Amino acid sequence: DIQMTQSPSSVSASVGDRVTITCRASHGINNWLAWYQQKPGKSPNLLIYAASSLQSGVPLRFSGSGSGTDFTLTISSLQPEDFATYYCQQANSFPRTFGGGTKVEIK
Amino acid sequence: EVQLVESGGGLIQPGGSLRLSCAASGFTVSNNYMSWVRQAPGKGLEWVSTMFDADSTYYANSVKGRFTISRDDSKNTLYLQMNTLRAEDTAMYYCAREALGYFDFWGQGTLVTVSS
Repeated sequence: DIQMTQSPSSVSASVGDRVTITCRASHGINNWLAWYQQKPGKSPNLLIYAASSLQSGVPLRFSGSGSGTDFTLTISSLQPEDFATYYCQQANSFPRTFGGGTKVEIK
Repeated sequence: EVQLVESGGGLIQPGGSLRLSCAASGFTVSNNYMSWVRQAPGKGLEWVSTMFDADSTYYANSVKGRFTISRDDSKNTLYLQMNTLRAEDTAMYYCAREALGYFDFWGQGTLVTVSS
């Protein structure tokens, strides 16, 4: 199975800050990686797929990069509605696996 | 508009069985990969199972042999039959459409609590 490791597990930031979250795969997955946002009590929402492709309707302040084993989600200017938990997920093979999550909190 | 509506969750004793349903609208279930993903209270996301057709079903090791994914094309509905339930199966269960390995639409979830 491919293990996905996210860091940090939590980050405190202010509105307007640039926030970067990293995800590392235990084996190479090319660019078969997605990022999701989940707010409390809500279902996850797909933000980024294929490592860097923005899902329709997702604001341009979100971007993804990386290939192989190391990936990054960047929020260029944090907005109040971005405070949430973010998960990466590999789509290279079964079993599908998620990272442990990164909680973005208000500083 | 794509919609996924789960139902069937509830409180069940250890060793019991439960069947979850996921009614889809706005697209055809039989033309897509469909999945179940769960989330234990306060924990992260865990993939459970994916189905494309009867010959293409996949399961997490933690549920293999106990859970069965299926669908009813006439009802455009996905199911998850869960047998021999354990306390560690307690979670919110989400139905999701899977496109090229990515979960692009999710339902609101149905809560399963396994407890005596």
